[in-house]
Amino acid sequence: DAGITQSPRYKITETGRQVTLMCHQTWSHSYMFWYRQDLGHGLRLIYYSAAADITDKGEVPDGYVVSRSKTENFPLTLESATRSQTSVYFCASSESIGITDYNEQFFGPGTRLTVL
Amino acid sequence: SQKIEQNSEALNIQEGKTATLTCNYTNYSPAYLQWYRQDPGRGPVFLLLIRENEKEKRKERLKVTFDTTLKQSLFHITASQPADSATYLCALEDNFNKFYFGSGTKLNVKP
Repeated sequence: DAGITQSPRYKITETGRQVTLMCHQTWSHSYMFWYRQDLGHGLRLIYYSAAADITDKGEVPDGYVVSRSKTENFPLTLESATRSQTSVYFCASSESIGITDYNEQFFGPGTRLTVL
Repeated sequence: SQKIEQNSEALNIQEGKTATLTCNYTNYSPAYLQWYRQDPGRGPVFLLLIRENEKEKRKERLKVTFDTTLKQSLFHITASQPADSATYLCALEDNFNKFYFGSGTKLNVKP
C-alpha cells in the first residue's frame, strides 16, 4: 500500500543495546524527518533529510544516528539505548519545505520504544 | 531556541459550539504556521497552513488566524462535533529548516 510505514510498531529493549527503527515511504518525497513525542514536550525533531545522502540535525540529535542511502528509506539508530530514549518515535515525509504548497508533512503510525 | 506554547489543559466544549485553540511562539518569526490533528495512538495529520501575510485562512468548518505582532495563531472549529475530539498541534519552520511543534491542546467535544 502507498504511504509511509514504520517498523516495528512496538519495541522493548535494554539499556546499552543498539536499536534501529525503520521508516519507508512510497511517494518519493524528498524530505524525511524523525521526531520523538514525549508527554509535556510534544514532537521534537531529531534528524531530517533533504534527499538521499543529505541529513542534518534537529533539536535533539544526541544519541541517534541516521542514514539515507535510498530516497524511500530513512532508518533511525539508537547506538546505545538509554532509558531517557523511551518515547514514541514518528517518521514523516514531505515533498518540500519552506513556503510552498507541498510542505505538509505526512506522518507514519509511530513506534513505541521502551528502554528498560 | 524556538519555543511554541499551546494550552496544555484540555478544552471541553459542547457540541455545536465554536472551539478556539491558541498557539503562541517566541523568538523567530516564522514565514508560516501549520496546524495538525492527532488522534490517540496515531501520527499527526495536516489540516491547514497560514502564511505570515495572511490574516485568516478557512477550510470548511476550520479557521486559522495569524497575528505576527502578537506572535500568535488561533485555530477555530465552528459547529463542533464529537468527531472533532482530538489533540491539535501547531508547528513552524525556522530559517534553518528546523521544525518545531507545540505540545498540543486536547479538545473534547461533548454531545
